[in-house]
Amino acid sequence: KQEVTQIPAALSVPEGENLVLNCSFTDSAIYNLQWFRQDPGKGLTSLLLIQSSQREQTSGRLNASLDKSSGRSTLYIAASQPGDSATYLCAVSPMNYGGSQGNLIFGKGTKLSVKP
Amino acid sequence: DAGITQSPRHKVTETGTPVTLRCHQTENHRYMYWYRQDPGHGLRLIHYSYGVKDTDKGEVSDGYSVSRSKTEDFLLTLESATSSQTSVYFCAISRDGPYGYTFGSGTRLTVV
Repeated sequence: KQEVTQIPAALSVPEGENLVLNCSFTDSAIYNLQWFRQDPGKGLTSLLLIQSSQREQTSGRLNASLDKSSGRSTLYIAASQPGDSATYLCAVSPMNYGGSQGNLIFGKGTKLSVKP
Repeated sequence: DAGITQSPRHKVTETGTPVTLRCHQTENHRYMYWYRQDPGHGLRLIHYSYGVKDTDKGEVSDGYSVSRSKTEDFLLTLESATSSQTSVYFCAISRDGPYGYTFGSGTRLTVV
């Protein structure tokens, strides 16, 4: 059974710092991996999607990497801002038999606080 | 997200009453999902649909049923609500191919 773990559970950093959020998964047979952001009381906003054949994806100050063989992904946030404060969720879609996309499995998230 | 809406946004109901949550999409995506989010558990899959009238159970399906009579609508019904079903419910959509999921804004359900 696929399990997704995110460490740390919470992180507090001063504004301007570069930071890395970690995600690990137990089964390397994944279809893709997606990073989401969730603000308090709100829904999930997709940040980056990495296909199983890709090593990384970038969007603005965000960079996500994927190492399937070791079961790890990292989300790198450059020059953090107070507006980056939110919970960041990592989720994987397992590879189903026949090569189709499986249902998304989530980690419990990392709560990020960026202090001015 | 503008292409997926959930209703109601908030609901308070009494134990033992039936409750139906609605998810509506305008993207014509094949797959639709219901998740619940609880502190300490994260997001867990309740039920999903892979087409009209085609549904299957997820990890935490006990006490829930679903229906999908049209591509755009996916209904989640709590047969007889219990306090353990107090949660935030999220609907999501996806399509075939290398695309991710899109989530709705959520429904906060309180069972008293």
